[in-house]
Formats: sequence, C-alpha cells, structure tokens
Amino acid sequence: AQSVTQPDIHITVSEGASLELRCNYSYGATPYLFWYVQSPGQGLQLLLKYFSGDTLVQGIKGFEAEFKRSQSSFNLRKPSVHWSDAAEYFCAVESGSSGDKLTFGTGTRLAVRP
Amino acid sequence: DAGITQSPRHKVTETGTPVTLRCHQTENHRYMYWYRQDPGHGLRLIHYSYGVKDTDKGEVSDGYSVSRSKTEDFLLTLESATSSQTSVYFCAISEGANQPQHFGDGTRLSIL
Repeated sequence: AQSVTQPDIHITVSEGASLELRCNYSYGATPYLFWYVQSPGQGLQLLLKYFSGDTLVQGIKGFEAEFKRSQSSFNLRKPSVHWSDAAEYFCAVESGSSGDKLTFGTGTRLAVRP
Repeated sequence: DAGITQSPRHKVTETGTPVTLRCHQTENHRYMYWYRQDPGHGLRLIHYSYGVKDTDKGEVSDGYSVSRSKTEDFLLTLESATSSQTSVYFCAISEGANQPQHFGDGTRLSIL
C-alpha cells in the first residue's frame, strides 16, 4: 500500500531564511505527488504537483519541489520564507488501484520567526 | 477557488444522535471525497464517490455512510454519533483519477 512520511512535525525558520520540508513516499510505480498548504481554520490549498517529466516542479507562492526517484523523496523548498508562509504543509501521493485516491502524510507545521 | 461549500461549518451535538454533513460543488467534477482531520493523523479518507450513486469506502469508513443522488451534492451521515467522531471534516472534489483534489473549508464537529 502507498504511504507518505513527513519526518518533521514542527519546523521553525527565521523570516528570509530558506526552507526545505521533507517528504518520503512508498509507491510501486512512478507516483503522482502533491504538496498542499493549510492555513489555520481553512481547507487545503494545492501548492504544486508532480506527474511526470521535469523532476523540479514549480508551484504557487514561490515554492518548488524536487522529485528524486532514487531516494523516494519529494521535498518542498522555498529560497526565502515570508511570515505569511506560517501554516501546515501536507505531502500526498496518489493511491487506489485507479489512482483516484490520495494518501496524505501527517503534516509539518511551519512557524516563522520575525 | 473551486466552488465547494460545506454545511454546517460548525456543529455541536450529543452522543447517539444522527448527524448529516453536506458538501455542495458548482464545478461539475466527477469525484467527491470526505476526509476527517485529527491531530497526528493528517487527513484520512472516509468515503468517496466517482459518480452519481457510485461510492466506495476509504480508510476510516466505520460508523459513516454517504450518499450522492446529484453530481453537485455529497452527503456524509453519522448514524449514531460517538465522541471518537469529534473531528474536522473536509470535502474535496476532483475532475478525475490522478488529478489534484480541491478542498472545502471544513466542518468542525464536536460530539459531547
């Protein structure tokens, strides 16, 4: 069965610093991968997705993620964090025999230090 | 933002009572999903639908039922609510398999 691991429960970075959130997945074939962000009291918003092709994917809000098959990873990065990036971030991988479901990681909560 | 409306947004009820949550979409998407979100568990799929009257179970379906009589509406029912079902419930929609899911703003359900 597919699974997603986000090893970091909480991360704190200073505003203006770079950010990397880790995501490791377990999947038998080439996966469809997603990163979502959730601000307090709101639903999840799609940041970016990887389906195939270029392994470096650009998303909204200045985020990018790199798919590394050899490491089964899909880490999220941002070169300079803004205070408004404080939120919870979820990695997800397609699942189900028809690819019609998602399996989510448990999330990483990001705090931004002024 | 995708046109997804969840109702109610907040509900407090007592153990043993039936509860129905509604998800309404205006995007005409084929797939609809119900998740629950609990601390330390991320989002877990309860049930999903891949068309009118076509539904299937997710990871945590026990104690929940769903119905989809129209493309735009997906109902989640707790037949007899228990305290363990206190959670935040999210509806999501997608155009099809391997497509991104778009989420509603959630329903916070407290069962006392």
